[in-house]
Amino acid sequence: DIQMTQYPSTLSAPVGDRVTITCRASQSISIWLAWYQQKPGKAPKVLIYKASSLESGVPSRFSGSGSGTEFTLTISSLQPEDFATYYCQQYNSLPYTFGQGTKLQIK
Amino acid sequence: EVQLGESGGDLVQPGGSLRLSCAASGFPFSTFPMYWVRQAPGRGLEWVSAISQSGVDTYYADSVKGRFTISRDNSKNTLYLQMDSLRAEDTAVYYCAKIRSPTFGEFYFDYWGQGSLVTVSS
Repeated sequence: DIQMTQYPSTLSAPVGDRVTITCRASQSISIWLAWYQQKPGKAPKVLIYKASSLESGVPSRFSGSGSGTEFTLTISSLQPEDFATYYCQQYNSLPYTFGQGTKLQIK
Repeated sequence: EVQLGESGGDLVQPGGSLRLSCAASGFPFSTFPMYWVRQAPGRGLEWVSAISQSGVDTYYADSVKGRFTISRDNSKNTLYLQMDSLRAEDTAVYYCAKIRSPTFGEFYFDYWGQGSLVTVSS
């Protein structure tokens, strides 16, 4: 199975800051990576697919980059509604494993 | 509008069984593989199981292999997860999920259900 390592596990930042979350795969997954946002008590919502493609309806302050084994999610200017937990997921091969999550908190 | 709705979650004793259902609508269910993902309280997301469009091919996480069985009824647009020999560590919210497109290799989850809570405890 492909292991996904995500860091940091917790991130504190003020509104307006630029933040980056990193996800590393244990083997190459090409560009088959998605990023999800999850708020308490809700199902995850996809933000980015194919490593850098923005899902329809997602604000442009979210962006993704990377290929192979190293990927990043960047939020260019944090908004109050962005404080949530973020997960990466590889869909290169089954099982479609997730990173352990990054909880983004208000500073 | 795509809708996924799980049901069947409950409190069950260790060693017991439970069957979850996921009713799907708003998309051609029989043409999509389907998935179960779970989330233990306060923990991250864990991919659990997948099933092909016809139901012939099934896949499981090592943590549930031999205990859980995924199935589907395309005539009823419904996905199932039969859970046997339940353990405390199976306690979680269980989500069913669909991918964007099997045709174009877009195997990321674009729709999720609201989740169904399974609690395994004596």
